Amino acid sequence: DGGITQSPKYLFRKEGQNVTLSCEQNLNHDAMYWYRQDPGQGLRLIYYSQIVNDFQKGDIAEGYSVSREKKESFPLTVTSAQKNPTAFYLCASSSSPLQYSNPNYGYTFGSGTRLTVV
Amino acid sequence: AQKITQTQPGMFVQEKEAVTLDCTYDTSDQSYGLFWYKQPSSGEMIFLIYQGSYDEQNATEGRYSLNFQKARKSANLVISASQLGDSAMYFCAMGLIYNQGGKLIFGQGTELSVKP
Repeated sequence: DGGITQSPKYLFRKEGQNVTLSCEQNLNHDAMYWYRQDPGQGLRLIYYSQIVNDFQKGDIAEGYSVSREKKESFPLTVTSAQKNPTAFYLCASSSSPLQYSNPNYGYTFGSGTRLTVV
Repeated sequence: AQKITQTQPGMFVQEKEAVTLDCTYDTSDQSYGLFWYKQPSSGEMIFLIYQGSYDEQNATEGRYSLNFQKARKSANLVISASQLGDSAMYFCAMGLIYNQGGKLIFGQGTELSVKP
């Protein structure tokens, strides 16, 4: 079955280190997104990409970087410049344009990665 | 700027009763979609229901219905016959379909607790 795979599920990082979160989809979706969620809060957009080799900053891009070299993959790097990286990170994808006939209306989420700075 | 507001941080409901979770939105776009997601403690985002800005009838999906009042810019979720398994965080989100990359904007969420 098609879906989005995020790995790892849990990640621990030492202060000052960069870390990369993986997001892979086999849905043939053009658009991919990274969201951050803090405890008791909603999701905030970090970066999104509508097409290979192109991406845009979201609302909280500082301290993060992404790449989109393949349609299936959209890795997120949390750099040492991100002052408070401990959070839950969710990756999502969607068709472009959105397919309203899809039961999920084109948006599919991964199961998330919990990042903790130790 | 686009914004989603959920004013109820937490809600309690008795099992088998109905509950309404509030959501208001702000956008100047004419074409948008409104979504509700359920997030259990595992963290996964479970799609519940969708309402398009041009849909004239309120969306329904099983026990879930969306009370869409376009003039008031509200999209409240109604859960009928609550079950213990409905206890979770619920998020309202808006998608600006034809621009801004189709990204979703989320509200702060409402934590629903169903009492036996």
